[in-house]
Amino acid sequence: QVQLQESGPGLVKPSETLSLTCTVSGGSISNYYWTWIRQPTGKGLEWIGYIYYSGSTNYNPSLKSRVTISVDTSKNQFSLKLSSVTAADTAVYYCARESMHSSGYCFDYWGQGTLVTVSS
Amino acid sequence: DIQMTQSPSSLSASVGDRVTITCRASQSISSYLNWYQQKPGKAPKVLIYAASNLQSGVPSRFSGSGSGTDFTLTISSLQPEDFATYYCQQSYSTPRTFGQGTRLEIK
Repeated sequence: QVQLQESGPGLVKPSETLSLTCTVSGGSISNYYWTWIRQPTGKGLEWIGYIYYSGSTNYNPSLKSRVTISVDTSKNQFSLKLSSVTAADTAVYYCARESMHSSGYCFDYWGQGTLVTVSS
Repeated sequence: DIQMTQSPSSLSASVGDRVTITCRASQSISSYLNWYQQKPGKAPKVLIYAASNLQSGVPSRFSGSGSGTDFTLTISSLQPEDFATYYCQQSYSTPRTFGQGTRLEIK
């Protein structure tokens, strides 16, 4: 059974860089898209971006200037960096696996989510 | 970006009721539409992928239909564990986008 687990600081100061890592267990990181999604408290879901196991990336244009997603296949991990954070970046951050089906893709495995608060 | 609009935003229903939630895309997305269920404090869980395909392990009371711009999620007979928030999501293009959610509450 594939499992994903987010890790990283729960508190980040304004203007600093948010850094999270997602560790994948129970399966290979190969041949999938690995995604970050966030959800402000009480609000909806926002797709941040993904990385393919080969290293190609695709980011949400609304965050593109501040986002970097990287992968370490040797550790079965992928990571998120979001720079110049403000209070608006406070949210639960989820990592997820996006799998391809015959008619598109879906997020079939998710981490439990980690709350990141931006505050001084 | 493709905008996803769900209706209603909230819904009250009783155990045993048949419930339908709709999702409209701002442009045609063929059948590239997924449905997720989220319970408080938990990650979303995929129920339906590619508009009408039931994810493994999901009860058969859940079904999806539609193509193009209009989609529906139907729960044929509500069970107590179905009270949650439901999201549609398009995988036709990036950025991936979600509907704003439909909160299903107990009447």
